[in-house]
Amino acid sequence: EPEVTQTPSHQVTQMGQEVILRCVPISNHLYFYWYRQILGQKVEFLVSFYNNEISEKSEIFDDQFSVERPDGSNFTLKIRSTKLEDSAMYFCASSEYPTETNEKLFFGSGTQLSVL
Amino acid sequence: QKEVEQNSGPLSVPEGAIASLNCTYSDRGSQSFFWYRQYSGKSPELIMSIYSNGDKEDGRFTAQLNKASQYVSLLIRDSQPSDSATYLCATRMDSSYKLIFGSGTRLLVRP
Repeated sequence: EPEVTQTPSHQVTQMGQEVILRCVPISNHLYFYWYRQILGQKVEFLVSFYNNEISEKSEIFDDQFSVERPDGSNFTLKIRSTKLEDSAMYFCASSEYPTETNEKLFFGSGTQLSVL
Repeated sequence: QKEVEQNSGPLSVPEGAIASLNCTYSDRGSQSFFWYRQYSGKSPELIMSIYSNGDKEDGRFTAQLNKASQYVSLLIRDSQPSDSATYLCATRMDSSYKLIFGSGTRLLVRP
C-alpha cells in the first residue's frame, strides 16, 4: 500500500528556534493535512491544504506556523519560533478528494518534536 | 465547541470476547464518522467509516451509528491480543475536511 513519508522521525530543538517538518504525501492525493498529538492527549487538527493554498486551519495554527508545498511532492510545516508547548508528535496526512466511498486519510508515521 | 467524547478505559476483555467501544459527539452537523486504531507511539490507522444510521460490518468489526442520539459505536468480535490498542473515534462535518478526534479508548485483550 502507498504510504505518507515523514522526516525526521525525531527532532530536538531549543526554544525559540525554527523547525521544518517534512512530508511526502501519496503521489495522486490532492488534500494534505497536519495534525499533532501532545503526549497522552487527543489528535488535533492543525491545517488542511488543497490546490496550493490553505483550505482550513485551527486556532492552534497561528502566525508561528506555516505550510508549503515547494516542489509538487514535498509538504512542509514550519514553526518559526518554537515554544515548549509545541512539543508533540506531528502527523502529516493526505487523501484523495473525499467522497462517501473514498474518504480515507492516510497518516504518516509522525515526527516527534521535543522543544527544550 | 465541537466535541467527541470517549471513555478513556482501559476496557479489558478476554481473548475471543466481543469488545464494545462507544463514542458520543456534540455537533449535529457531523456527517462522517470514523474509527481509527492507534498503537502506542504509532500513527492512527483507519478501521471503519460510517455515514448512515444503522450498522456497517467489515470482517470482525461492526460500526453502529445513531444520529438521533449522536452516538457511534464499534464492536470487535472474537477479540485478539493484537487488537490491544487505543481506538479513536472521529467525526467530520459536511462543510469541512478536518477530523475532530476523541481522546480514545484503550482496549486490552487478555490472552
